[in-house]
Amino acid sequence: KQEVTQIPAALSVPEGENLVLNCSFTDSAIYNLQWFRQDPGKGLTSLLLIQSSQREQTSGRLNASLDKSSGRSTLYIAASQPGDSATYLCAVKASGSRLTFGEGTQLTVNP
Amino acid sequence: EPEVTQTPSHQVTQMGQEVILRCVPISNHLYFYWYRQILGQKVEFLVSFYNNEISEKSEIFDDQFSVERPDGSNFTLKIRSTKLEDSAMYFCASSELSYTDTQYFGPGTRLTVL
Repeated sequence: KQEVTQIPAALSVPEGENLVLNCSFTDSAIYNLQWFRQDPGKGLTSLLLIQSSQREQTSGRLNASLDKSSGRSTLYIAASQPGDSATYLCAVKASGSRLTFGEGTQLTVNP
Repeated sequence: EPEVTQTPSHQVTQMGQEVILRCVPISNHLYFYWYRQILGQKVEFLVSFYNNEISEKSEIFDDQFSVERPDGSNFTLKIRSTKLEDSAMYFCASSELSYTDTQYFGPGTRLTVL
C-alpha cells in the first residue's frame, strides 16, 4: 500500500528566504506526482505535476523535482513571500485513478 | 480560467439523514473524483467515475455512498444515512482526458453531522 510522508510538518521562515519542502513515497511504481497548495478552510490548488519520466518541473518561483527510484520529491520555493503561507501537499498517482496524499507541510512566511 | 464548483459550501445535518453534495466539474473534463478530508487528517480518495460508471472506489466508499452524473454538467455524491464520523470536508475533482492528467479540485463542501 502506497504511503506518502512529508517533512517537515511545519516550517516558519522570514520573507525572502529560499526553502525546500520534502515528500517521500514508499512505492516507486508511480505515474506522476502532484504538488498542491491548500489555504485554511479552502480547496486544493494544483501547483505542479511531474510525470514519472520527468526529473523536474518549474512554474515561476516554484521548482519541483522527482527521484522516482529513491521515492522522493522536493518542492523548492525561491524568494518566499508572505502570500506563500499555506499548507503544501504532495500526492502520488500509482496504478488506478486515485491520488494518495501526504499530511502536508504548513508553511508560514513572516514579513 | 475554468474551475470546479461545489455546492453547498457548508451542510449541517442530523445523524441518519441523507445528504447530497453537488459538483460541477470543468466542462470538457471526462474523469471525476470525490475525496474527503477529516479535520486534521490527510486527504483521502473515495471514488472515481468515468463514462457513467464507477472506475475505482476505496474501502471508505461503502453501501451508504453513491455517485451520479444526473445530467451533462453535475456530479453528485449521496450519503444515504449519515454518521457522526462522516463529518469532513468533501472535495470534488476532475481531470481532462485520463487519470494521469492533472486533477483539479473544487473548494469543498464542509459536512457537519450532529
